[in-house]
Amino acid sequence: DQQVKQNSPSLSVQEGRISILNCDYTNSMFDYFLWYKKYPAEGPTFLISISSIKDKNEDGRFTVFLNKSAKHLSLHIVPSQPGDSAVYFCAASAFGGANNLFFGTGTRLTVIP
Amino acid sequence: DAGVIQSPRHEVTEMGQEVTLRCKLISGHNSLFWYRQTMMRGLELLIYFNNNVPIDDSGMPEDRFSAKMPNASFSTLKIQPSEPRDSAVYFCASSLGRVHEQYFGPGTRLTVT
Repeated sequence: DQQVKQNSPSLSVQEGRISILNCDYTNSMFDYFLWYKKYPAEGPTFLISISSIKDKNEDGRFTVFLNKSAKHLSLHIVPSQPGDSAVYFCAASAFGGANNLFFGTGTRLTVIP
Repeated sequence: DAGVIQSPRHEVTEMGQEVTLRCKLISGHNSLFWYRQTMMRGLELLIYFNNNVPIDDSGMPEDRFSAKMPNASFSTLKIQPSEPRDSAVYFCASSLGRVHEQYFGPGTRLTVT
C-alpha cells in the first residue's frame, strides 16, 4: 500500500507561470519530507526538504509547503523554466530520518516555452 | 569526485537467467540503498545497508533477489532466476550519516523477455 501518493501523473505549465506539485501521505509518523527531481536516463537528485516542525521551506524558485493536519505537502516552482521539465518525486521518512525513505510514484512536469 | 556508479546501464536477458547488477558507492559514504522503479509503484526500497550490514531487506520481493556488500564501496544485486515481471529500472543510492541526503546512481534498465 502506497504511504506516499502523488495523484497527478503529469502537469503542463507555461514558462514563467507557477508550477504546483502535490503529494499526500498516510503515515502520521512521517516527520521529514523531501522532493527529488529526475531527468531521463539519470538518477533522482535531491531538490528540497522540510521538517515537520515547519510549514514552509524556501530555496530560490522552489518552495515546499507542509500541511500536517491534512497530511499534504506541495512544491511550488516560481517562475517555471523549461529546464524544470522533469519527473518530481515526493518522499517521506519517519523518526528524524533514521528510517527508510518512502517515495511517491512521481509527477512529470512539462514547462512549455 | 565521481558519483554513484552503476553497471550495466542496460541489461536484456531471457527469463530464467541470472542477472547481476553492480553499484559503487561515493567514496566515504557508509549507507547503500537499492531501489526499483516501476510505473505502478514508483520508487520502492528493496534493501539498505549501513556499514556493510543489511539493516532492512523487507522490500526484497522474494528469495530470487539477493544483495551483498563484499566491501565498503561496492554492492551487487542478484536476481536468480529472472522473470519478466522483474523488468524495471534499478537504482542504487549512497549516503553518509543522514538518511535523507541520498545520492542516486544513473540506474540499470533491466528487461527480462
